[in-house]
Amino acid sequence: DADVTQTPRNRITKTGKRIMLECSQTKGHDRMYWYRQDPGLGLRLIYYSFDVKDINKGEISDGYSVSRQAQAKFSLSLESAIPNQTALYFCATSDSGTGRGSYEQYFGPGTRLTVT
Amino acid sequence: TQLLEQSPQFLSIQEGENLTVYCNSSSVFSSLQWYRQEPGEGPVLLVTVVTGGEVKKLKRLTFQFGDARKDSSLHITAAQTGDTGLYLCAGDQTGANNLFFGTGTRLTVIP
Repeated sequence: DADVTQTPRNRITKTGKRIMLECSQTKGHDRMYWYRQDPGLGLRLIYYSFDVKDINKGEISDGYSVSRQAQAKFSLSLESAIPNQTALYFCATSDSGTGRGSYEQYFGPGTRLTVT
Repeated sequence: TQLLEQSPQFLSIQEGENLTVYCNSSSVFSSLQWYRQEPGEGPVLLVTVVTGGEVKKLKRLTFQFGDARKDSSLHITAAQTGDTGLYLCAGDQTGANNLFFGTGTRLTVIP
C-alpha cells in the first residue's frame, strides 16, 4: 500500500464551489505539506504543518485553507474555487529531523483539479 | 523570481547518449535534493547532497553539489527510456522551514 495517499485523484468542479482534497500518510512523519504544480512553474508550497497544532502559510496560500485533523491526515480546502486554481495538487510528508537534508519529501500521487 | 533555475527546460536525446542537467542559484543551500517525477505520479526522491563538492552516484546517475553550495548537476550516462521524466531539484536554506523547488527539466529518451 502507498505510504501517502490522496483523494480524490481527479476532480472537476465549477467556479464558486467549495472543494476539499484529502491526504493520509502511514509513514509516521510529523511534517506534512501541500503543493500545487503548474507547467513551467514547478512545485509551489501552499501550506505546511509540523505537527497537529502547527499550521503555516506557504508561498501561495491565498484562496486556500488547511486542516490537520491528526498526525496522519492533512486536508486542503478551496473555499470558493476559481479557474486559475486548476492545477495538479500534491501532498507530501517529511521526517522531523533538524540536520541538513532533513526536509526530504515523500509525495502522494497527486490530485488533478479542474475548475470550470 | 525563481530561487532555483534549472536548465535545460526540455531535453530530448537518443537512448545510449549521455546528458547533464543543471540546477543553479545565487543563494546558498544547506542541502540540495533531486527528484524524478513520472506522468501521473508524485515526485520521488533520488538523492540528497549536503556537503560542498560532494559527488554521489546512483547507478548511471551522478549528482554533484557545487563547492559553494549554490548549484548542482545531474549527469546520466548511457540514458535509457526508463530515465524519461521530469527532474526536479530542491534546496533547503538555514532558517527556512521548507524546500524551494526548481522549475524542472523534462527529459525524453527516445528508443
